[in-house]
Amino acid sequence: DARVTQTPRHKVTEMGQEVTMRCQPILGHNTVFWYRQTMMQGLELLAYFRNRAPLDDSGMPKDRFSAEMPDATLATLKIQPSEPRDSAVYFCASGLVNGRVTEAFFGQGTRLTVV
Amino acid sequence: AQSVTQLGSHVSVSEGALVLLRCNYSSSVPPYLFWYVQYPNQGLQLLLKYTTGATLVKGINGFEAEFKKSETSFHLTKPSAHMSDAAEYFCAVGRAGAGGTSYGKLTFGQGTILTVHP
Repeated sequence: DARVTQTPRHKVTEMGQEVTMRCQPILGHNTVFWYRQTMMQGLELLAYFRNRAPLDDSGMPKDRFSAEMPDATLATLKIQPSEPRDSAVYFCASGLVNGRVTEAFFGQGTRLTVV
Repeated sequence: AQSVTQLGSHVSVSEGALVLLRCNYSSSVPPYLFWYVQYPNQGLQLLLKYTTGATLVKGINGFEAEFKKSETSFHLTKPSAHMSDAAEYFCAVGRAGAGGTSYGKLTFGQGTILTVHP
């Protein structure tokens, strides 16, 4: 059963600490998305990769957030330093975009709490 | 640019009643449209999608949606609500057509929480 795997599922950290969230996309998918979900803002697209190359990270605060794909099986989202306003659920999704758009398959999310 | 507006952040229906969740989109090119459902503490799960062809799309759990280009709408319906349908529903638009950095990018609406009363 192919699925997107995110770790950790929950993370509580103190303000100022570095946070790293990991995502294993579905094997064979060439597109990875990072979304942030909050009550106030809903689902916001933070970053978007195609074949491991960043295509759009305009939704991401550049001074503290960074997203990478070290290889095709791993995507990471880092926050350094973390702030209480970063508390949210972070979703990774993957999809296959090859001549036409397919749906994005979502992971279970990482619930981040910054205290 | 793409955008999605979901009318009504909360919708409440009685069990057995019609479910109607509204979605309007804006897209400068032919869109691909999606409805996702999110249960508490879960990720988003695809309900249905419109890409090309038939404008009435059937999805899982008895849901369907109709793409109306003239109205730029993609409303989600279900004839008879079940208690298990209580969840948050998201409409999303993707850019069709090849090329460009936005190809394949999905933009989501703010979500509609569906409550089903016994």
